[in-house]
Amino acid sequence: RKEVEQDPGPFNVPEGATVAFNCTYSNSASQSFFWYRQDCRKEPKLLMSVYSSGNEDGRFTAQLNRASQYISLLIRDSKLSDSATYLCVVNVGTSYGKLTFGQGTILTVHP
Amino acid sequence: DVKVTQSSRYLVKRTGEKVFLECVQDMDHENMFWYRQDPGLGLRLIYFSYDVKMKEKGDIPEGYSVSREKKERFSLILESASTNQTSMYLCASENQPGTASYEQYFGPGTRLTVT
Repeated sequence: RKEVEQDPGPFNVPEGATVAFNCTYSNSASQSFFWYRQDCRKEPKLLMSVYSSGNEDGRFTAQLNRASQYISLLIRDSKLSDSATYLCVVNVGTSYGKLTFGQGTILTVHP
Repeated sequence: DVKVTQSSRYLVKRTGEKVFLECVQDMDHENMFWYRQDPGLGLRLIYFSYDVKMKEKGDIPEGYSVSREKKERFSLILESASTNQTSMYLCASENQPGTASYEQYFGPGTRLTVT
């Protein structure tokens, strides 16, 4: 079983749609959780951290369920510029970040 | 603004060659990382370093070594390149884990082809 598993995608949605990505992780000792975004032929960049209480940043909402070892990302009112690969990332380390990345889910938003 | 730079965007090498990939960060970060990214496999950690001259193996260290002589610079070395090392190589540095602003910052990547 992979340490971090994501919906395989790809997701193709029209502008304005709401889309949700899911991710599960296997290591119950995981300390912190993130969503990174990677544009085509570019490096990954942090989109948002994921907190136990859930958190929102504009059109993006991230949720964490530690009991089920499950993370989600919801994107509302999709824009063309949201087209990218979304990486679910889990950190087991504390003194330095031993990040484990999911494979990524490709999102394409079309007009 | 944090900047992580890598010495080359594209590199083509022959089997058996020694390959050096260089990474420099300008934010005085303690911790630096080397990953490779392959389709269907995602990013996998090769090596990391939490201080000058210190290194730790990641998940796939075989066939690689690293060097950290200065805080800002972290080098990945392929002692004898093989075709299965054809990949995208990404360097990263991070600020303090466990803080609210924690983040790993990535360089633009080096696409290495070994023929």
